[in-house]
Amino acid sequence: SSELTQDPAVSVALGQTVRIKCQGDSLRTYYASWYQQKPGQAPVLVIYGEDSRPSGIPDRFSGSSSGNTASLTITGAQAEDEADYYCNAWDSSGNHVLFGGGTKLTVL
Amino acid sequence: QVQLVESGGGVVQPGRSLRLSCAASGFTFTNYNIHWVRQAPGKGLEWVALMSYDGSNEYNADSVKGRFTISRDNSKNTLYLQMISLRAEDTAVYYCARDYGDTQVIFDYWGQGTLVTVSS
Repeated sequence: SSELTQDPAVSVALGQTVRIKCQGDSLRTYYASWYQQKPGQAPVLVIYGEDSRPSGIPDRFSGSSSGNTASLTITGAQAEDEADYYCNAWDSSGNHVLFGGGTKLTVL
Repeated sequence: QVQLVESGGGVVQPGRSLRLSCAASGFTFTNYNIHWVRQAPGKGLEWVALMSYDGSNEYNADSVKGRFTISRDNSKNTLYLQMISLRAEDTAVYYCARDYGDTQVIFDYWGQGTLVTVSS
């Protein structure tokens, strides 16, 4: 298929662990990258590759992948983690980029 | 430091044209593929187009094919998006993003975006 699917919304209690999933056929071939976007701001890369974090991203963010599913895990969610999260990856052709529909994370 | 600065957005009537620019600095522009990504008001991110590092390959989303053209001027460290036959559904914030990846897409730096509003 030519799409990446994410749950529209997820909530987590402060300090608890949450996993955000991204599903798509192209993820069997390509790793996903994950982005955090807060209102009125540009997206920020938080995870890429198998489980790599750019400089400045807290280590409570981690990534994993299995089959057609990529996951972003936040271990010990903080209030400042409340945001929209998007995954992206190449499509199966390798020359178009797919974005997931985004997951709105609420920290309770 | 790495910077991407978009410009050229504004209000335009349906059917008209607009050209966006993305000025890059702080890195070797010719080493990276650069993409355009857009976000309609209240909606998610949508990939628009890709220009390879050397300008030899370009790819466009089906939603803009035949209407949008991506190009780059490596002598000016600038990426462009020429948009023609604009429609109301093209209304969005347009971002340029640097692709750090080789075998995967990794948008490691984004511009602040420029708003395009298509309205009569």
